[in-house]
Amino acid sequence: NAGVTQTPKFRVLKTGQSMTLLCAQDMNHEYMYWYRQDPGMGLRLIHYSVGEGTTAKGEVPDGYNVSRLKKQNFLLGLESAAPSQTSVYFCASRGSGARTDTQYFGPGTRLTVL
Amino acid sequence: AQSVSQHNHHVILSEAASLELGCNYSYGGTVNLFWYVQYPGQHLQLLLKYFSGDPLVKGIKGFEAEFIKSKFSFNLRKPSVQWSDTAEYFCAVSFQKLVFGTGTRLLVSP
Repeated sequence: NAGVTQTPKFRVLKTGQSMTLLCAQDMNHEYMYWYRQDPGMGLRLIHYSVGEGTTAKGEVPDGYNVSRLKKQNFLLGLESAAPSQTSVYFCASRGSGARTDTQYFGPGTRLTVL
Repeated sequence: AQSVSQHNHHVILSEAASLELGCNYSYGGTVNLFWYVQYPGQHLQLLLKYFSGDPLVKGIKGFEAEFIKSKFSFNLRKPSVQWSDTAEYFCAVSFQKLVFGTGTRLLVSP
């Protein structure tokens, strides 16, 4: 049982390049989330998904797209990377009941955009 | 809009000192409350959570938090910190979605 995994762990991009971050969970969780963490700003929600085939915008969705084609995977895409997207990205998942409100986090992806 | 405030951005303590980190939220309805910890270079781990019942919640590693509904607060406490508690601590409140505070960096000197 690996929990929540993220690939890659590190990535450096040039402005304008594209990339996809992969999040996978093996806990059969319905909900999945993508956050970015920046110094002094805590974690901010980018996009989330309440189930396979569904996605929704979070607090800071601009410049990102997501897809949830399979229940266990949640992909975060940057079509044209900008330096402002330099951050640490965390994926999280949780179950669907009120008593399963705890989110479990992946190890993070450190992205630098030059 | 719902928000979560952590008043202390940086805290420096000596080992064996007592710790209290403040967390307040703005929302009048039912919420679930969490404290997460992030050790240097690692991902967020759940420290403790409150859903209902006893407002004094005990978590891992000797941490506890008290939910005071009238004050919209969920402060984190530990009677005696250790060097290994050096980390960043995040309060989070679930208003349908999870909203995080900006975090408190704790440095415990040996």
